[in-house]
Order: sequence, then C-alpha cells, then structure tokens
Amino acid sequence: EVQLVESGGALVQPGGSLRLSCAASGFTFSSYWMSWVRQAPGKGLEWVASIKQDESEKYSVDSVKGRFTISRDNAENSLHLQMNSLRVEDTAVYYCAKGKWLDPWGQGTLVTVSS
Amino acid sequence: DVVMTQSPLSLPVTLGQPASISCRSSQSLVHSDGNTYLNWFQQRPGQSPRRLIYKVSNRDSGVPDRFSGSGSGTDFTLKISRVEAEDVGVYYCMQSTHWPLTFGGGTKVEIK
Repeated sequence: EVQLVESGGALVQPGGSLRLSCAASGFTFSSYWMSWVRQAPGKGLEWVASIKQDESEKYSVDSVKGRFTISRDNAENSLHLQMNSLRVEDTAVYYCAKGKWLDPWGQGTLVTVSS
Repeated sequence: DVVMTQSPLSLPVTLGQPASISCRSSQSLVHSDGNTYLNWFQQRPGQSPRRLIYKVSNRDSGVPDRFSGSGSGTDFTLKISRVEAEDVGVYYCMQSTHWPLTFGGGTKVEIK
C-alpha cells in the first residue's frame, strides 16, 4: 500500500524558514515524479512544485519561485520542500502527492506563518 | 497559465438524484503526446484530497462506477449518477497537461 507521510510543519514568523519532508513507502519512489500541493485555511487547492525522478526537471508556481526549493532523496525515499522567506500568505496545509497526476496524497502538514 | 473554471460553486443534491459538475479550461488540454491530462479529485470534510478520475474518463481503483468523467479539448464534466451521503465534499478538476499545474476553484456538493 502506498503511504506518504509529511512532517516538518510548524508556526514560524514572517521571513523565517522551514523544511518539509515526505516519507514515501509502498512503491518504487525513484520511478515517479513527486509533487507538493497546498491548501490555505478554508480555501481551494494550489499546486506548489513538482520534481522529476532524477531531479533533472523541477517546476514551481510563480508565487514561490526563488523562495521554495523542491528536492528528493531516492536512497531515503523522501521528498523535501525547503521554504525560505516565508510570508503570511504561505500559511496552509502542505500535502505531498505521488506523480504529476497526484495520486495518492499524504495527510498533510500545517505551516502557519504569523508574528 | 491555464485557468480552470468550475461550475457551479455549490451543488445541493437530493439523495439518489444525479449531479453534474462542469470544468472549462482557458486553453486546450490536449498534450503533444495525444493524451488529455484532466483529473478530478474529491475532498471529503476533514480529509486529504483523493483522485477519482484521470485522463478525462478513467476511474481510479476503488472509485464507485456512479462517478464518470467526460469531455474533450477545453470542456469537461464529472457526473454522479445517483448521489449518496458519502459523496458530500468538494470536487476539484485539475489539468496536468501544461506547467504550472492548475486546479479549478472547487464545487461543494451537499445534500438537500
């Protein structure tokens, strides 16, 4: 069974940094694209970033370019999202999802940016 | 960026009756490989999203056959043939043909 478990969410001040992780199991992690999607409180879904199997291609939404970096460790079956220069509007539940077609999703980790 | 527009925003439905959600894209979702990467997701209250349909009309494993997807080009539809209580939640379309990936704003399905 595919399992995705996010961690690293926390309360952080504006301008701060956070690193999210997603531990994957139940499938051959190194064979799939991986993605991050976020959902602000009471709002809809917003794709954040995706990364190819060998990290040769990475894509992200314009609002996080230059601040967030997606990466992966195929040896450890883990996906990461380094988040710098955090803003209040980055407050959301962050989900990791398998593939570009986003199936399945983890349970999410909450990031709160507030002073 | 491809804008995904869903309608309606809210859909009150009587149990056992059909429901239909529309999703329109601002440009064609036909990929250069010939596939159309239009997906549908369900998010039940308090849960993570779950994919229901991929590539317009392919149901994911475990998805009841009362859910069906159709459409082409820029115009797509998710249909529930007979709504059950467990179908309450928000439904999102999403395109993965073009970068950046984009979601529709969501349609909230509730029981009348």
